[in-house]
Amino acid sequence: DGGITQSPKYLFRKEGQNVTLSCEQNLNHDAMYWYRQDPGQGLRLIYYSQIVNDFQKGDIAEGYSVSREKKESFPLTVTSAQKNPTAFYLCASSIRTGGIHEQYFGPGTRLTVT
Amino acid sequence: KQEVTQIPAALSVPEGENLVLNCSFTDSAIYNLQWFRQDPGKGLTSLLLIQSSQREQTSGRLNASLDKSSGRSTLYIAASQPGDSATYLCAVRMSGSQGNLIFGKGTKLSVKP
Repeated sequence: DGGITQSPKYLFRKEGQNVTLSCEQNLNHDAMYWYRQDPGQGLRLIYYSQIVNDFQKGDIAEGYSVSREKKESFPLTVTSAQKNPTAFYLCASSIRTGGIHEQYFGPGTRLTVT
Repeated sequence: KQEVTQIPAALSVPEGENLVLNCSFTDSAIYNLQWFRQDPGKGLTSLLLIQSSQREQTSGRLNASLDKSSGRSTLYIAASQPGDSATYLCAVRMSGSQGNLIFGKGTKLSVKP
C-alpha cells in the first residue's frame, strides 16, 4: 500500500526535551512538507523540502529543525526553543504530474508537552 | 499576503439536504485550490483539486467550483449523509510558489440522521 506514515500517533514529552517526529512516504514524491494544526486554526507551514538534502523554512520555523537525507523520509525535530510545542503535526508530500501538485497527507502526530 | 477564509465555521443540517460550503481568498494569483476532509484526530483526505484554469471538478456527490477573478470557491455536497460529518478545509497554492498550501480554518459539518 502506498502512502504516508507518521509515528508515533501520540507523543508525550516533558518541557525542555527535544523530540523527533517521523514521516515516511513510499509514493516516490519529490516534495515533502510539515504543517502544524492548533484547535480552531488552519494548518500552518513549518518546513518544506523539494529535493533531497535541501529544505526551506515555512511561516513558523522557529524552534523546529528538519533533515532530508533520503527521498522517502523527512523527520521533524521539535526543540526546547519552541515556546508552545503542544499541537497536532501533519506531514504531506506531493509530486508534479502534468502540472498538478496535489498534496497527500499522513495521519498526523499529536504532541503534548507538559 | 494571501488569506483564505471559510464561511460558515460550523454547519448543522438534516440528512438528505444539499449544502454549500464557501471558501474565499484575497489574492487571485493562485495555481490551484484543494478541498480536504478531516475527521476528528485524523489527517487530511484530498477530495477535489481545481487547477486555476478550471471552473469546476466533480467526484460523486461532491462538486467544487472556482471563480478565480472573484476569489471564491464553493464545495457542493448533494444528498448529505451522516457519514459526511467532518471538517472541510480549503487550501490554495500560489503561482510561483514551492508547492506549499495556504489553508482556511475549515467548516465543521454535522449531518443529523
